[in-house]
Amino acid sequence: QVQLVQSGSEVKKPGASVKVSCKTSGYAFTSYFMHWVRQAPGQGPEWMGILDPSGGSTDYAQKFLGRVTMTRDTSTSTVYMELSSLRSEDTAVYYCARGGQFRKRPFDDWGQGTLVTVSS
Amino acid sequence: EIVLTQSPGTLSLSPGETATLSCRASQSISSGYLAWYQQKPGQAPRLLIYGASSRATGIPDRFTGSGSGTDFTLTISRLEPADFAVFYCQQYGDSTWTFGQGTKVEIQ
Repeated sequence: QVQLVQSGSEVKKPGASVKVSCKTSGYAFTSYFMHWVRQAPGQGPEWMGILDPSGGSTDYAQKFLGRVTMTRDTSTSTVYMELSSLRSEDTAVYYCARGGQFRKRPFDDWGQGTLVTVSS
Repeated sequence: EIVLTQSPGTLSLSPGETATLSCRASQSISSGYLAWYQQKPGQAPRLLIYGASSRATGIPDRFTGSGSGTDFTLTISRLEPADFAVFYCQQYGDSTWTFGQGTKVEIQ
């Protein structure tokens, strides 16, 4: 079955960067788009960007342009999301979410989430 | 960017009743690219409905999605205790993916 297993919780200081990993299994890694979504405490989900694992191309939400980088390692079927210049408002649970084989698809499977806390 | 507005914010119902959740878009969503998710505390969202009205794998037929254009509805019939959660709509019709702010369905 499809599995998305994310790295553990992180505590960072303002201005630092964080890199979250998402190791996938159970499907053809390069055939499905991957998204990153975050959810601040008590808020709805917020889409951050999309990665095409086959070629590595990305599209980021306007809000995160210049601060987010999404990459993948095809040898380990793992995707990564790095967010820089962290501020307190970036405290949230970060999810990887598998899209479809075509771009315009919802998210069928999700990782378990990674809590990132930004605090001085 | 398409903005999604969900109503009501909270719905208080008893098991066995029917829940009707609304999701309104700031502009028409092409080809019904509208999904619904259920989220329970401490868990990731779970896909319920896609394409406005198609049920995801394993979702019982008590969950029904409908609507088009800018107005969409999720109906949950014969509420069971496991159904009580927060529900989000999501559009994926333009170049971004956006979510509504959620409707909480709680036990009355």
